[in-house]
Amino acid sequence: QKEVEQNSGPLSVPEGAIASLNCTYSDRGSQSFFWYRQYSGKSPELIMSIYSNGDKEDGRFTAQLNKASQYVSLLIRDSQPSDSATYLCAGYSGGYQKVTFGTGTKLQVIP
Amino acid sequence: EAGVVQSPRYKIIEKKQPVAFWCNPISGHNTLYWYRQNLGQGPELLIRYENEEAVDDSQLPKDRFSAERLKGVDSTLKIQPAELGDSAVYLCATSIGSGANVLTFGAGSRLTVL
Repeated sequence: QKEVEQNSGPLSVPEGAIASLNCTYSDRGSQSFFWYRQYSGKSPELIMSIYSNGDKEDGRFTAQLNKASQYVSLLIRDSQPSDSATYLCAGYSGGYQKVTFGTGTKLQVIP
Repeated sequence: EAGVVQSPRYKIIEKKQPVAFWCNPISGHNTLYWYRQNLGQGPELLIRYENEEAVDDSQLPKDRFSAERLKGVDSTLKIQPAELGDSAVYLCATSIGSGANVLTFGAGSRLTVL
């Protein structure tokens, strides 16, 4: 079982819709979670980090963390074609002291 | 402020040849990571440095891969000899300290082994 799991997609949403990206993790010792965006041929860049249960909002992005269910999600409101990319979920485990990435979900926003 | 600098951006070699990748971190970032990313996959950690010390190299294939970080700044990742399965993007990332810190990635070095 991979430590961080994501549906590889592609997830297709129309422009202006809400895109919902999901991630589950197996290590209950994971403390912090990150969402990175990776455009094709580019390197990952951080868009959101979340450290405690609940929601965290930043502009059009909302990250949600539920440690009891071992579930992390990213909502993108008013999706734009420029949001089309692969979104990587990552978790930090204090026990292993490392950040583990999921395989990524490819998002396609259709104009 | 300059970001994480990697070179070369692209490298094509024949199998059994050696190859080396270089990474210059953001100034003040004492934690440095080398990740490998295969097509359609997430980055996988190869090695993590705290200053000049390799604190996690458990995923580094030590029979053919080696890395060093002299003086706790620049780092080099070497593969010798390269195999077809080594074709991937090699990403260097750095952070301020270890722990749950944000990683800043370099542009990556894309390796193709023929």
